[in-house]
Amino acid sequence: AQKVTQAQTEISVVEKEDVTLDCVYETRDTTYYLFWYKQPPSGELVFLIRRNSFDEQNEISGRYSWNFQKSTSSFNFTITASQVVDSAVYFCALSEAPGGYQKVTFGTGTKLQVIP
Amino acid sequence: DAGVIQSPRHEVTEMGQEVTLRCKPISGHDYLFWYRQTMMRGLELLIYFNNNVPIDDSGMPEDRFSAKMPNASFSTLKIQPSEPRDSAVYFCASSWGITGNTIYFGEGSWLTVV
Repeated sequence: AQKVTQAQTEISVVEKEDVTLDCVYETRDTTYYLFWYKQPPSGELVFLIRRNSFDEQNEISGRYSWNFQKSTSSFNFTITASQVVDSAVYFCALSEAPGGYQKVTFGTGTKLQVIP
Repeated sequence: DAGVIQSPRHEVTEMGQEVTLRCKPISGHDYLFWYRQTMMRGLELLIYFNNNVPIDDSGMPEDRFSAKMPNASFSTLKIQPSEPRDSAVYFCASSWGITGNTIYFGEGSWLTVV
């Protein structure tokens, strides 16, 4: 079973539209961490945010916001007023500690295309 | 501060040849991860180390793949013999300490096996 599911393979939006990228995770740990990474066309993986399982407060950083809901095991990412520079593949990831060692599992990614 | 450094950035090799990818983690980090990214399978965790010791290599596809971490500042991922289906981007990443600390990625090694 997938530990991190990003059901949206590709999304296209017109510039200035809002867009939400979905992430659903699965874990038996009570303590875990969730991440979002951005992979622009240049290929590098850029860290965006980290959230621990005990903090369900939504977070906003500029045009980016994240909605963490333990009840639905979801950690969704919203970009407000999208821009062409937001075009990238976005990955959600889960950090657990099976046997006490950190292990990070990534979803399959959502490719976002922002059309000017 | 220097990030995770990978080499080579690009490699084209012929089928059957040995390929060695190298990684220098961020100084002070005690976890090192090797991931492979392909269109078909996305980002796959191949193996990870803690304090230079391999913890989980269940993601290593087959015996042709091997990874070592002889010291805290260097790791290699070796493919011998290479096959066209090994063509992918190989990322090295590192992190420090307890679960949940951010892992930082290198820029990747783009491998093409012809």
